[in-house]
Amino acid sequence: GAGVSQSPRYKVAKRGQDVALRCDPISGHVSLFWYQQALGQGPEFLTYFQNEAQLDKSGLPSDRFFAERPEGSVSTLKIQRTQQEDSAVYLCASSLATARGTEAFFGQGTRLTVV
Amino acid sequence: AQTVTQSQPEMSVQEAETVTLSCTYDTSESDYYLFWYKQPPSRQMILVIRQEAYKQQNATENRFSVNFQKAAKSFSLKISDSQLGDAAMYFCAYTVGNSGNTPLVFGKGTRLSVIA
Repeated sequence: GAGVSQSPRYKVAKRGQDVALRCDPISGHVSLFWYQQALGQGPEFLTYFQNEAQLDKSGLPSDRFFAERPEGSVSTLKIQRTQQEDSAVYLCASSLATARGTEAFFGQGTRLTVV
Repeated sequence: AQTVTQSQPEMSVQEAETVTLSCTYDTSESDYYLFWYKQPPSRQMILVIRQEAYKQQNATENRFSVNFQKAAKSFSLKISDSQLGDAAMYFCAYTVGNSGNTPLVFGKGTRLSVIA
């Protein structure tokens, strides 16, 4: 596709339910980032992949959060046993390479609401 | 830890006028990038302009320009000839070193309204 695609756009989960959020980066993009954006806040970094390798997961808030990118393309962010504080927009971004000044392109995000 | 501060939660501007959005940051690094992103209601972050810390010349992109004051750690965005389509959330962001593989640190954003 022409841009970063995320699905679903909206997800409502009951507390305790597991959810999986999908990110389709721009074809050929090496770097992939996940961010969490709470209401009224700026995005906060969750995790970073370079191809299939998860090089940084320092931003994951708890062990209920898990991300993977098994073939170095599509990535999935999984949240187990969702809680109300997990309600947020989850943004995915990808970039072509690791060169200086490379722009990161963002998807439209998934809005997760935990009820 | 690096931090980015946007002290103006909301701003408004008359159509065709000029507005300046403020941003300050804190870092001990010497090599970094600064960005302004626009987020419309569609939620997609759109890059407006970026500045490399080593470049003294302020970046410009059409109606958008920055005032980069490295010693003061200030990075403001000026929008000239404001248009209705400029209404959105604006986020200032920072990344250290190689922006292709390092995460962005964002401020809390400024909501810009454009009045017809």
